[in-house]
Amino acid sequence: EIVLTQSPATLSLSPGEGATLSCRASQYIGTYLAWYQQKPGQAPRLLIYDASTRATGVPARFSGSGSGTDFTLTISSLEPEDFAVYYCHQRYNWRALTVGGGTKVEIK
Amino acid sequence: QVQLQQSGPGLVKPSGTLSLTCALSGDSISTNYWWSWVRQSPEKGLEWIGEIHHGGTTNYNPSLESRVTISVDKSKNQFSLKLTSVTAADTAVYYCARAFVAARSPYFDFWGQGTRVTVSS
Repeated sequence: EIVLTQSPATLSLSPGEGATLSCRASQYIGTYLAWYQQKPGQAPRLLIYDASTRATGVPARFSGSGSGTDFTLTISSLEPEDFAVYYCHQRYNWRALTVGGGTKVEIK
Repeated sequence: QVQLQQSGPGLVKPSGTLSLTCALSGDSISTNYWWSWVRQSPEKGLEWIGEIHHGGTTNYNPSLESRVTISVDKSKNQFSLKLTSVTAADTAVYYCARAFVAARSPYFDFWGQGTRVTVSS
């Protein structure tokens, strides 16, 4: 099973600051990685897929990069609605989808 | 606008069968997507359960495969999940979701509202 390790577990930042979230895969997954945002009581929302493609309607302040085993989600300037939990997800093997443990972006 | 509306009981007895349905509106279930189930618990986080294509092809999480059945009803534009022999470890929020395939991998772009299922006597 491919393990996704997200860091840090918690990021304490102020609105307007930039955020950099990391996701590391235990083995090669090419660019088959997605990022989701989840707020309390809501379903996850797709932000980025194929490592760097923004999903429909996602603001340009969200960007994804990386390939192989190391991936990054960058939020250029945090808006109040961006404080949430972020998950990375991979499905390099179709029958073995795995999700990272999440990074909580909280208001400092 | 695509919407997925979940229905089903929120309480299931141990050793019983968990059954949930996801009704699709704003699209046809016979389009080229994978119709999926995902669950989330504090202990395991987000966990993929499985998926079905309208043609009937299914893929299941190997750790749940022996207990899971996902089916599609084209006449009702909905798909369903059955999980048998449930235990407390199956207590979670269950989501249905639509997955599209980009370059090679499927990703979830629309989600149901979630159903909190508790396994308890």
